[in-house]
Amino acid sequence: AQKVTQAQTEISVVEKEDVTLDCVYETRDTTYYLFWYKQPPSGELVFLIRRNSFDEQNEISGRYSWNFQKSTSSFNFTITASQVVDSAVYFCALSEVQGGKLIFGQGTELSVKP
Amino acid sequence: EAGVAQSPRYKIIEKRQSVAFWCNPISGHATLYWYQQILGQGPKLLIQFQNNGVVDDSQLPKDRFSAERLKGVDSTLKIQPAKLEDSAVYLCASSLAHNEQFFGPGTRLTVL
Repeated sequence: AQKVTQAQTEISVVEKEDVTLDCVYETRDTTYYLFWYKQPPSGELVFLIRRNSFDEQNEISGRYSWNFQKSTSSFNFTITASQVVDSAVYFCALSEVQGGKLIFGQGTELSVKP
Repeated sequence: EAGVAQSPRYKIIEKRQSVAFWCNPISGHATLYWYQQILGQGPKLLIQFQNNGVVDDSQLPKDRFSAERLKGVDSTLKIQPAKLEDSAVYLCASSLAHNEQFFGPGTRLTVL
């Protein structure tokens, strides 16, 4: 069965701190896709990144970085030097079929205080 | 490029009433998804369309929910009759084949 677990329900940091959001997934497929989405208070889900199971290279985009480790079935997300605008709910998701349904975790609510 | 459009943004109804939500995907996106997001949870897929055909509706409560995508563009999701547990945000998303999904702003449904 497919499952995504985000154990951290809420995280609160002070601006400029680094923060890591954890994501652990379960799947029996050898080919799958992992995603991170951001949901600000406005409610719209914003796509951040997609990785396929064959690409374990870590990725950095500005203050955002992602660490994909197949050995531990984890796809963690780090925000460096957090800012108040980073406050949102972040969702990790799994898809076993390219273009198929997304299976979301419960989400982690990040609060960045000035 | 215009994003995914949804209407209405908010809807309040009483239980046993009917309600319909509308979604207009990004132009050219063949795949359209409807997700249900209950407060405090991640979105859950209700139905996926490829053009005007259904790809996956395994989690759609078919006794009360229905959806259609006429002409492979706009889509409508209907609930009849609504129950209290249907209170949620209904998100529509679209994608080009095999690419990431882009989400609309959602419709927040409250069933009293």
